[in-house]
Amino acid sequence: DGGITQSPKYLFRKEGQNVTLSCEQNLNHDAMYWYRQDPGQGLRLIYYSQIVNDFQKGDIAEGYSVSREKKESFPLTVTSAQKNPTAFYLCASSILDGGGLQHFGDGTRLSIL
Amino acid sequence: QQQVKQSPQSLIVQKGGISIINCAYENTAFDYFPWYQQFPGKGPALLIAIRPDVSEKKEGRFTISFNKSAKQFSLHIMDSQPGDSATYFCAAHDPTSYGKLTFGQGTILTVHP
Repeated sequence: DGGITQSPKYLFRKEGQNVTLSCEQNLNHDAMYWYRQDPGQGLRLIYYSQIVNDFQKGDIAEGYSVSREKKESFPLTVTSAQKNPTAFYLCASSILDGGGLQHFGDGTRLSIL
Repeated sequence: QQQVKQSPQSLIVQKGGISIINCAYENTAFDYFPWYQQFPGKGPALLIAIRPDVSEKKEGRFTISFNKSAKQFSLHIMDSQPGDSATYFCAAHDPTSYGKLTFGQGTILTVHP
């Protein structure tokens, strides 16, 4: 079955620590996205990538970093500079300019220890 | 200009009733309006979508009504069922901005048996 796999499902971060969230897709999509979800705020875009080795900042990129070394993979690192990292993180993918048809993974819930 | 406003924030409906969720937007460049359904601990899944040249789209018990002049659109769930209890997000696609999706704040729907 084609889809998007996010891991881990739950992640805990200590103060001053960087953590990396994994996102893998086998849909052969060129575009991939990272969103942050907080209660009552909808989904906010962190980073997006339309092609391997290229990515752009979204609306709330501060304190986050990404890489896109393979078409299938788009990991997100939550750095120690992100002071309020507790949230539900969602990865999505689409064909290039997929017209709004983004497919989502089942998310990673990040909490602070 | 990029904002999509969604209401209500939460909604409680009796089984068999009609659930109505409303969204309003500002950016007239938006060309596609999907609705996503999200269950707890899962990623959003595309439910139904509409283009602005259509005033209504129906798929089973789900109907989107679109008012282009008012820049508003709404989701109607007929004969609401307890299994429809979820968070619903409206979204809008901007073709002038790499295919960006802008999401509403979400509506938590609870259908009582």
